Amino acid sequence: EAQVTQNPRYLITVTGKKLTVTCSQNMNHEYMSWYRQDPGLGLRQIYYSMNVEVTDKGDVPEGYKVSRKEKRNFPLILESPSPNQTSLYFCASSLIRVDTGELFFGEGSRLTVL
Amino acid sequence: ILNVEQSPQSLHVQEGDSTNFTCSFPSSNFYALHWYRWETAKSPEALFVMTLNGDEKKKGRISATLNTKEGYSYLYIKGSQPEDSATYLCASSGSARQLTFGSGTQLTVLP
Repeated sequence: EAQVTQNPRYLITVTGKKLTVTCSQNMNHEYMSWYRQDPGLGLRQIYYSMNVEVTDKGDVPEGYKVSRKEKRNFPLILESPSPNQTSLYFCASSLIRVDTGELFFGEGSRLTVL
Repeated sequence: ILNVEQSPQSLHVQEGDSTNFTCSFPSSNFYALHWYRWETAKSPEALFVMTLNGDEKKKGRISATLNTKEGYSYLYIKGSQPEDSATYLCASSGSARQLTFGSGTQLTVLP
């Protein structure tokens, strides 16, 4: 089954404790992206990747890092989480680019930083 | 950062009513307009990707139109059903790389 898989789905952590949210897709997509969703706001892009070893900042990259060492994986790293990073996070992928192809979303990861 | 706006923010309709929502986006440097359906506790799913001015797309009872010159898109639902209850997101891209989402229209269809 074609899918985007995120882990963990739920996580409660404390300020400053490094964490990684994994994202994997099995559709051989080139484009991958991370979004966060907060009440009253639309999905806001954190980072995106057009292909292996190519990553770029989105609209809200502060406090996050990403890597794209393999085509299928695009982990989101919070080196020193803070309470303002409490949010619902979505990983998404697209075949090549977002101007021609739809995004396929993972199921979301709800993160709480105390 | 593109400014993508959706209206209304929320609405309630009776089963069987037809309804529509609006998405407005910058008309300059336009690449594509996406519509997604997001049900509670699930992930957003694509409805349409539209690129050409005047585009009209249809999927069952749901259809969408696109006006790139004036920067708006309409999503129509004909004969709303309770299972249509969801948040409908639009997103615009001003490049091949990034998609900017609006804050969504939350639809509740009352039986």
